[in-house]
Amino acid sequence: SAVISQKPSRDICQRGTSLTIQCQVDSQVTMMFWYRQQPGQSLTLIATANQGSEATYESGFVIDKFPISRPNLTFSTLTVSNMSPEDSSIYLCSVEDLAGGYNEQFFGPGTRLTVL
Amino acid sequence: SQQGEEDPQALSIQEGENATMNCSYKTSINNLQWYRQNSGRGLVHLILIRSNEREKHSGRLRVTLDTSKKSSSLLITASRAADTASYFCATGVNRDDKIIFGKGTRLHILP
Repeated sequence: SAVISQKPSRDICQRGTSLTIQCQVDSQVTMMFWYRQQPGQSLTLIATANQGSEATYESGFVIDKFPISRPNLTFSTLTVSNMSPEDSSIYLCSVEDLAGGYNEQFFGPGTRLTVL
Repeated sequence: SQQGEEDPQALSIQEGENATMNCSYKTSINNLQWYRQNSGRGLVHLILIRSNEREKHSGRLRVTLDTSKKSSSLLITASRAADTASYFCATGVNRDDKIIFGKGTRLHILP
């Protein structure tokens, strides 16, 4: 399976600022996914990022708040813009592995964000 | 709304005992995956089971799938302290589509 890294691993930010989270994969992948996990909750998909096209956002998430870049097949960034304390969450990226013919997803270690 | 719903929400058992967690879902699926998450860290992929499979094994893990009941179970045998974690099921409706996570089961192994 792919090896996925994320930066930063954690950060504490002030209200109104923005943070960009990086996701790096050790192999080329077509689809990357960004999730949010609020404290004590499950994972919610923010958007799907394909290389060379605009990200596809899930209901409740908008590009202005969570802009995503996908410049190549091994890298993506998620920006959390104009942050508020409600944005305090773990943000995770994942990649798909279709080798077995199914969308088996593997996750990075996550970025723990605290907004004061 | 989320596809999967795990139960119980929390489970505490003695080390060495078996732990069973269940996942129910609402619509037809193509595959179901189980993940483990230790203390708010990244998710570890455990097993993917396809809709045409009924049971899969991986080490001390056994996953079953009953598509007629729209449910799956994860059995961990001979539990260890290191198994303490949250366990999530995630369902895929199509082969190459997004997956949707359930709410998770928090498993605590008592020494």
